[in-house]
Amino acid sequence: DAKTTQPNSMESNEEEPVHLPCNHSTISGTDYIHWYRQLPSQGPEYVIHGLTSNVNNRMASLAIAEDRKSSTLILHRATLRDAAVYYCIVTLGGKLIFGQGTELSVKP
Amino acid sequence: EADIYQTPRYLVIGTGKKITLECSQTMGHDKMYWYQQDPGMELHLIHYSYGVNSTEKGDLSSESTVSRIRTEHFPLTLESARPSHTSQYLCASSETGDRGFDEQYFGPGTRLTVT
Repeated sequence: DAKTTQPNSMESNEEEPVHLPCNHSTISGTDYIHWYRQLPSQGPEYVIHGLTSNVNNRMASLAIAEDRKSSTLILHRATLRDAAVYYCIVTLGGKLIFGQGTELSVKP
Repeated sequence: EADIYQTPRYLVIGTGKKITLECSQTMGHDKMYWYQQDPGMELHLIHYSYGVNSTEKGDLSSESTVSRIRTEHFPLTLESARPSHTSQYLCASSETGDRGFDEQYFGPGTRLTVT
């Protein structure tokens, strides 16, 4: 599984967009890029995943660099409920290897 | 809403006791996982199973054991609890999807304290 690098923490204002970066320079051609988030005192939850193309779902958007060595999770309008630790994981198949993630705080 | 359950949610127990943490899912998922997470720290995979009668150790060594006799049930057992086992234990499940992508669904976790 490829190693990922994320900032330890980020701050955002409520109702503003948030861009959470992730570097994964050793990604292989068949690895998927996954994003999960963990709200306080809860288990992680799936946010989005992608392989090569940009992806959108009801929670977020995922922008993947053309060389796939980096990606950005985009929350279009942050809410207080989006305060969580966001994990970027690169892998193929079942096992997920979690890093430290980015702790996102949202200010009202 | 994911249908994956863990009991108990909180457990305080004395050193040397045998404990079993329960995990059940009603989604028919073939894959199940146990993670361990200390407060403020990252999750570590300690056990996983890709089907009935199949179990593997994860990336973090653990003194716990698991079994997978039924698809929906994946209990974790500690034969003799120690204070070093104090942690949060999270169970997850997934179904092999198209082209190899699995979405994992996590339970609420069991917070274990060994005194």
